[in-house]
Amino acid sequence: EDKVVQSPLSLVVHEGDTVTLNCSYEVTNFRSLLWYKQEKKAPTFLFMLTSSGIEKKSGRLSSILDKKELFSILNITATQTGDSAVYLCASRDFGNEKLTFGTGTRLTIIP
Amino acid sequence: DVKVTQSSRYLVKRTGEKVFLECVQDMDHENMFWYRQDPGLGLRLIYFSYDVKMKEKGDIPEGYSVSREKKERFSLILESASTNQTSMYLCASSFEGAKFYTFGSGTRLTVV
Repeated sequence: EDKVVQSPLSLVVHEGDTVTLNCSYEVTNFRSLLWYKQEKKAPTFLFMLTSSGIEKKSGRLSSILDKKELFSILNITATQTGDSAVYLCASRDFGNEKLTFGTGTRLTIIP
Repeated sequence: DVKVTQSSRYLVKRTGEKVFLECVQDMDHENMFWYRQDPGLGLRLIYFSYDVKMKEKGDIPEGYSVSREKKERFSLILESASTNQTSMYLCASSFEGAKFYTFGSGTRLTVV
């Protein structure tokens, strides 16, 4: 059974800090790893990673995948209160449209 | 932008009631999914569908059924609601080979 584990479960930091969120996975036929941000409503897509070592960046957010060690990290620099959300990590297999999600990391940014 | 619409944002039902949660997408996506989200457990897949009238069980199908009579609509049915089905329900859709899903805003169901 595919498994995705995120850590920490929750994190509280001050505005301007840098945070690193972790995601490890065990999947039978790995295709890709995805990060989503969930505020009050629908999760919104952030990144998809398929290859090791290639960093994806979007403004202050970046993510990298290590296919050998089976983990990914999501970095957020110069955090802002608008970054407060639950960050979800999900894995996807080949031959399958299903996503397996982790429990999420709840990030709270204090002004 | 793709829109995935869930008919109710909040719903309160009594134990034993039959409950219908509706999800509609407007971009002709083949794939549709129902997840439930609970604290500490993350998102868990209930059912999914690759095409009209097709359905497949996810990881936690017990107590649920689904219906997909039209491509744009995927309904989740709780045949006899129980308190342990109190949860946030999220619908999602994607086209074949898409990089990611698009999610609806969720329905928070409380069974009393």
